[in-house]
Parts: sequence; C-alpha cells; structure tokens
Amino acid sequence: KNEVEQSPQNLTAQEGEFITINCSYSVGISALHWLQQHPGGGIVSLFMLSSGKKKHGRLIATINIQEKHSSLHITASHPRDSAVYICAVPNTDKLIFGTGTRLQVFP
Amino acid sequence: NAGVMQNPRHLVRRRGQEARLRCSPMKGHSHVYWYRQLPEEGLKFMVYLQKENIIDESGMPKERFSAEFPKEGPSILRIQQVVRGDSAAYFCASSAQGATNEKLFFGSGTQLSVL
Repeated sequence: KNEVEQSPQNLTAQEGEFITINCSYSVGISALHWLQQHPGGGIVSLFMLSSGKKKHGRLIATINIQEKHSSLHITASHPRDSAVYICAVPNTDKLIFGTGTRLQVFP
Repeated sequence: NAGVMQNPRHLVRRRGQEARLRCSPMKGHSHVYWYRQLPEEGLKFMVYLQKENIIDESGMPKERFSAEFPKEGPSILRIQQVVRGDSAAYFCASSAQGATNEKLFFGSGTQLSVL
C-alpha cells in the first residue's frame, strides 16, 4: 500500500465546474504539500498546510489531521487549470508523493 | 530572483555514456533535493544535499549515480554508463532551511533520454 494515495487518478470537467481532488496518507506528518505540474513538466508549489484550510484565488486546500486526509478544491474551473495535481507528505527529511491526479478542463 | 535553474532542459545520451545534470538553487537556499519521475509514474526522492554535504541519499541507486553540491557552483547529479531505464525527468528543488514543513521551489526539470 502506498503511503500517499490520491483519487481520482484522472478527472475531466467542463469549464465552470467545481473540482475536488482527494489525498489520503498513512504516516504522521507535520505538513502536507499540494503541487501542480503543468503539461510542459514544470512543478509549482500551490499550498503547504498543517491544519484547517487555505485559500488562494480559486483554489482551496483543506486538511483533517485526525483522519489523515486532505482535499484540493478548484472553484469555477477553467481550461488553464488543466494539469497534474500532486499531494506530498514529509517523511523525515524528504517528501513522499502521490501518483497525481490528471485534470482536464474542457471549454 | 531567477528561481531554481536546471540545465540542460533536455539531454540525449547513448547507452554507456555519462549524463551530468545541473541545478542552481534559489538565491539564499542551501538545501537541494533531487527527484526522479519515470514515465507514467510519480515523483520519487533520490538525494538531499546541503552545501558540501550529502544528508540523505537513500533514494539513489547505489551504482552509477552520484550527487554533489560544492561550496561554489551548482549541484550536480551524475549518472555514469547510462542505460535505457535511466530515461526520466529529473527535478531539483531547493529550500532555505531544509525543513519538511517549508515550501519547496522546483526547477523545470531535465528530461533525460537514453538511446
């Protein structure tokens, strides 16, 4: 069993839809990271959170430490949100990554 | 601030050749991480370095792979006698303090293709 599980693996949506991506982990953590990998390959850090909720523009990340679960929400999705979204948790001095959720938003 | 710079962006090597991948961390960052992303797979940790020191190389294959982060200059990931299975995207990330609850900044990656 992977230490970090993401669902769904693939997600398609129409522009404007509300998107939810889930991440479950099995290790105790101090913080969880959400990353975005663009079709060109570049990786951007979206959020790092250890409790509660964070919001940046149309993106919202929540985490429940007791249930070892985090969600990434995208409101009013847009084709430019198409990317792979990856959650990652620390293990000693390094990150362990989920396999990612490939999101495609169609106009 | 130029961010994390990796070069080359693409690298083609024949089996048996050496590959050298470079990573210049963000200004002020002294902690560097290398990750590998095999085709259709997730990112996997390879090695964590601080200036002149290897802190954790538990994710790096024992043979043919080495990494360094000298006092001056970029971090180098070196792969000797490459094989087709080494074909992957190699990403470098840097941070200021090396804490796992600290934001990481990623480079654009080096796509290594072994013919």
